[in-house]
Amino acid sequence: EAGVVQSPRYKIIEKKQPVAFWCNPISGHNTLYWYRQNLGQGPELLIRYENEEAVDDSQLPKDRFSAERLKGVDSTLKIQPAELGDSAVYLCASSSSGTHGGAEQFFGPGTRLTVL
Amino acid sequence: DQQVKQNSPSLSVQEGRISILNCDYTNSMFDYFLWYKKYPAEGPTFLISISSIKDKNEDGRFTVFLNKSAKHLSLHIVPSQPGDSAVYFCAASASGYALNFGKGTSLLVTP
Repeated sequence: EAGVVQSPRYKIIEKKQPVAFWCNPISGHNTLYWYRQNLGQGPELLIRYENEEAVDDSQLPKDRFSAERLKGVDSTLKIQPAELGDSAVYLCASSSSGTHGGAEQFFGPGTRLTVL
Repeated sequence: DQQVKQNSPSLSVQEGRISILNCDYTNSMFDYFLWYKKYPAEGPTFLISISSIKDKNEDGRFTVFLNKSAKHLSLHIVPSQPGDSAVYFCAASASGYALNFGKGTSLLVTP
């Protein structure tokens, strides 16, 4: 079974530029998450989707971040414009809601973003 | 504020010995706890979990202990192997879904 797929794996951009990350979850997983992991920290949730609906986006900086999950499968996370402080690893995860409400999440390899 | 704390940034253990990784939490609403393992340039990989109705869960060489009164859990790896060298994250959730992660403990198992 294929795992969570993310692309690109690495991205280097200059500040004020836009950037987008793509995620394809495990087949059949209805719940999709985007996390941000800063250096030396654990992942922090940005947004959670149930199918195509964003059910928890309280931690998403909505002035510059946006996300979508059209058709309830793959998802895109966008930053526009990027700031120096956005440099981090962006992780996508998915889960099946049948497992303890979805707590056992499966992570992709992440996209390492560097903003210069 | 950090609701899940891993106070040891690193741990070094000899191969064959026991590794004990610790985690404390502050939110009494947490009812499900997980450990994830992370290698460099990879995403976290689920390792083992425990529900708040239990105090121990075992899976092969890995055992997680939960002490709800102390709001403390630990991961035991016995025997430790060099391939266990990775960063281990403790995570907790309240009624499923949103995971709160600690900062991680870097485990080094030396031959």
